[in-house]
Amino acid sequence: AQKVTQAQTEISVVEKEDVTLDCVYETRDTTYYLFWYKQPPSGELVFLIRRNSFDEQNEISGRYSWNFQKSTSSFNFTITASQVVDSAVYFCALILYNQGGKLIFGQGTELSVKP
Amino acid sequence: EAGVAQSPRYKIIEKRQSVAFWCNPISGHATLYWYQQILGQGPKLLIQFQNNGVVDDSQLPKDRFSAERLKGVDSTLKIQPAKLEDSAVYLCASSPLQGVANVLTFGAGSRLTVL
Repeated sequence: AQKVTQAQTEISVVEKEDVTLDCVYETRDTTYYLFWYKQPPSGELVFLIRRNSFDEQNEISGRYSWNFQKSTSSFNFTITASQVVDSAVYFCALILYNQGGKLIFGQGTELSVKP
Repeated sequence: EAGVAQSPRYKIIEKRQSVAFWCNPISGHATLYWYQQILGQGPKLLIQFQNNGVVDDSQLPKDRFSAERLKGVDSTLKIQPAKLEDSAVYLCASSPLQGVANVLTFGAGSRLTVL
């Protein structure tokens, strides 16, 4: 069975601090995709990144970066120089190959960035 | 581009009553999803439509939940009769044609409270 675990339920940081959100996944499939979504207080889930299981290159997008390590089944997300607008719940999710939109979500990590 | 529209945003009902949620996806998106998000958890897929056909409803409690997507555009999710454990946010999402691992665009959700 597939599973995504986000062990950090809540994280609180002060503005400008760096913060890493952890994500560990379980699957026996060799082909899969990993996602991060952001859920601000308004409620809609906002897509941040999608990676496939064959691409372990780290990715950087502005203040956001992602570290994918198949050896430890982890797909961690780092926000550099956090801002108050980064406050939200962040979800890591997994899709098996050819499962279209059947996202398997973790429990989410609530990030609070204080001024 | 207009986003995914959902209504109502909030609904409070007594147990054993019925409720219906409506979703209008992004124009041209062939695939539509309903997810259930219980407080403190990640969303869980209830049903996936491709145009007006059901692709996956394996996690839909069919004794009380039903969904339809007439004409392959708007969709309605109905719960009858509601139970206390149905209290959740119901998220609608859409994506272009069914792919290997779709990027979903989510609506803001409909929050249901069952008393």
